[in-house]
Amino acid sequence: GQNIDQPTEMTATEGAIVQINCTYQTSGFNGLFWYQQHAGEAPTFLSYNVLDGLEEKGRFSSFLSRSKGYSYLLLKELQMKDSASYLCAVRHLSNDYKLSFGAGTTVTVRA
Amino acid sequence: EAGVTQFPSHSVIEKGQTVTLRCDPISGHDNLYWYRRVMGKEIKFLLHFVKESKQDESGMPNNRFLAERTGGTYSTLKVQPAELEDSGVYFCASSQRPDLGSYNEQFFGPGTRLTVL
Repeated sequence: GQNIDQPTEMTATEGAIVQINCTYQTSGFNGLFWYQQHAGEAPTFLSYNVLDGLEEKGRFSSFLSRSKGYSYLLLKELQMKDSASYLCAVRHLSNDYKLSFGAGTTVTVRA
Repeated sequence: EAGVTQFPSHSVIEKGQTVTLRCDPISGHDNLYWYRRVMGKEIKFLLHFVKESKQDESGMPNNRFLAERTGGTYSTLKVQPAELEDSGVYFCASSQRPDLGSYNEQFFGPGTRLTVL
C-alpha cells in the first residue's frame, strides 16, 4: 500500500519561498508527481521525479530522496496566483499508471 | 488542444437514484482513469481503461459503480443506486501510451461534484 503524508496548510508572504514536504511509504516506487489545484479546477501537472535529486522548472523546483521516502516542492518568488492546493502523488511500480495521492497542502499567499 | 472535460460539473441527487457521469479524454489518449475525492480526503484511484478495456478496477468501491468506455473514446461512470457516502468529487484523467511521453503524466479534468441527499 501507499502512505503519503504532507502538511495540511501553509501560509507565506508574496515574494517569499515556501517548501512543501511529502513523505511516502510504498511497496513499490516508480516516480513522484506534484500537481497544483486551484479551487474548483482540475489538478495540473507541475513536476516529476524518479531519480534522486533536484528538478528545477522556473520558480518551482522538486526534490526526491528515494532512500528516505521524501520529496519536497519548492515555490520561489511567491505570487498571489500561487495560492492553491499542492498534491503529492506516487506512481506504483506494480501498476505503471495508478497514482496514489496525499491529501494535499493548501498554500495561502498573503500580500 | 482541448483538455479533459467532464459532465456535469455538479449533480445533486437523492439516495437511491441513479447518476451517470461522463468523461471525454484528450484526443488520442489511450489511457483513461477515474478517481474520487471524498469529504476533503485524498484523491483515490477507482479504475483504469486502456482503450475500451478495463486494465485495473481495484479501486471501485462496490458493484453499485459501473464504468464503461465503449469504442475507446469517452467514458461513463454510473452509480446505481446512489448512497450518501458516494458524495464527493469524481475526477477523470487521461494519458498517452508510455512510449509517447517522457513522464506519462496524467491530465485531469475539473471533476464532477456529486452530492447525494
